Amino acid sequence: DGGITQSPKYLFRKEGQNVTLSCEQNLNHDAMYWYRQDPGQGLRLIYYSQIVNDFQKGDIAEGYSVSREKKESFPLTVTSAQKNPTAFYLCASKNFDRVGETQYFGPGTRLLVL
Amino acid sequence: AQTVTQSQPEMSVQEAETVTLSCTYDTSESDYYLFWYKQPPSRQMILVIRQEAYKQQNATENRFSVNFQKAAKSFSLKISDSQLGDAAMYFCAYRSYTGANSKLTFGKGITLSVRP
Repeated sequence: DGGITQSPKYLFRKEGQNVTLSCEQNLNHDAMYWYRQDPGQGLRLIYYSQIVNDFQKGDIAEGYSVSREKKESFPLTVTSAQKNPTAFYLCASKNFDRVGETQYFGPGTRLLVL
Repeated sequence: AQTVTQSQPEMSVQEAETVTLSCTYDTSESDYYLFWYKQPPSRQMILVIRQEAYKQQNATENRFSVNFQKAAKSFSLKISDSQLGDAAMYFCAYRSYTGANSKLTFGKGITLSVRP
């Protein structure tokens, strides 16, 4: 089945630790996105990538880093510089050249700080 | 920059009744897309309905329809014959028409509960 997978479902981070959230898609989509969701907030864009080996900062990129070495994969690293990382993280993808097409979302990763 | 506002944090509807969720947005663009997403307790984001700004006709998907008022920058979602499975958070979202900048801007969401 085509879709987007995110792992792990739950992730625990210790103080000062970097952690990486995985996002994989087999939809052959060009563009991929990372969003952060906090209670009472809508989704906020962290980073996005339109093609392999290229990515742009979103609205809240500080304390995060990404890579796009393969079309199918767009991992997000939450660094120790992110002082309030507890949130729900959603990955999405879409065909870049299909303007009217919506983004498809993965099931999300819940990150908690110990 | 575009903004999306959902001013009602919570709403409740009786099963089989109709409910309308409100959304307003601010933009200087003339061409854009608007979306309603549903997020059930599983937290999976599901597209409910989409509206292209250049289309005057309101979008409809089965029990879901929108009232798109471009001049007023309003985009409300009507759910008819509400079902227990409709209970979820609903997010309104905006996207520019230009493909090179296809990021979504979301409202804060509204929690809809359905009473049996």
